Amino acid sequence: SQQGEEDPQALSIQEGENATMNCSYKTSINNLQWYRQNSGRGLVHLILIRSNEREKHSGRLRVTLDTSKKSSSLLITASRAADTASYFCATDRYGNKLVFGAGTILRVKS
Amino acid sequence: EAGVAQSPRYKIIEKRQSVAFWCNPISGHATLYWYQQILGQGPKLLIQFQNNGVVDDSQLPKDRFSAERLKGVDSTLKIQPAKLEDSAVYLCASTTGEDGDTEAFFGQGTRLTVV
Repeated sequence: SQQGEEDPQALSIQEGENATMNCSYKTSINNLQWYRQNSGRGLVHLILIRSNEREKHSGRLRVTLDTSKKSSSLLITASRAADTASYFCATDRYGNKLVFGAGTILRVKS
Repeated sequence: EAGVAQSPRYKIIEKRQSVAFWCNPISGHATLYWYQQILGQGPKLLIQFQNNGVVDDSQLPKDRFSAERLKGVDSTLKIQPAKLEDSAVYLCASTTGEDGDTEAFFGQGTRLTVV
């Protein structure tokens, strides 16, 4: 069964706007990770946030984690057409068991 | 460094036939995963290996799916016999295996179509 649930399922924005995706999960985690998948390709790791961290930045990406609410958000600032992809959160339970959510499809229009 | 290699990239078979997928993880990576990704869904974990031992195979349909990782390096995933609902992309991923705080590296996947 899926551990994480992303919201929204799909998001369409204009180039230059910010995109926010949310992820909720059910059980205790070691860390939470976000991945990107371009159409027909494998997944690429974007960022990892540990369970004792609340916020993390990497370039135009900002991730927050609220373990009390069992939720995380991914913010992509100043989006580009090349950001068009599916985005997945994955929870790393103890023992390196990586469980993925259903994903958010992001479309950035130029 | 070389990435995770998978083959074949595409496979079309008839239902009730058998098929095998191969994965070569990044050198030195102890943990290897097989995921099934049905169109429009997120990857579903089928099996997780730590070296050559199975850590989790709770979602592997064992009546038709089997996987092995001999010598703790390469891995093969087999489906026998295949059903129409097995049509999906099969993804292999690997990590260093250190507890937590590690990113997974994915191969390009094998797209299976069962007709």
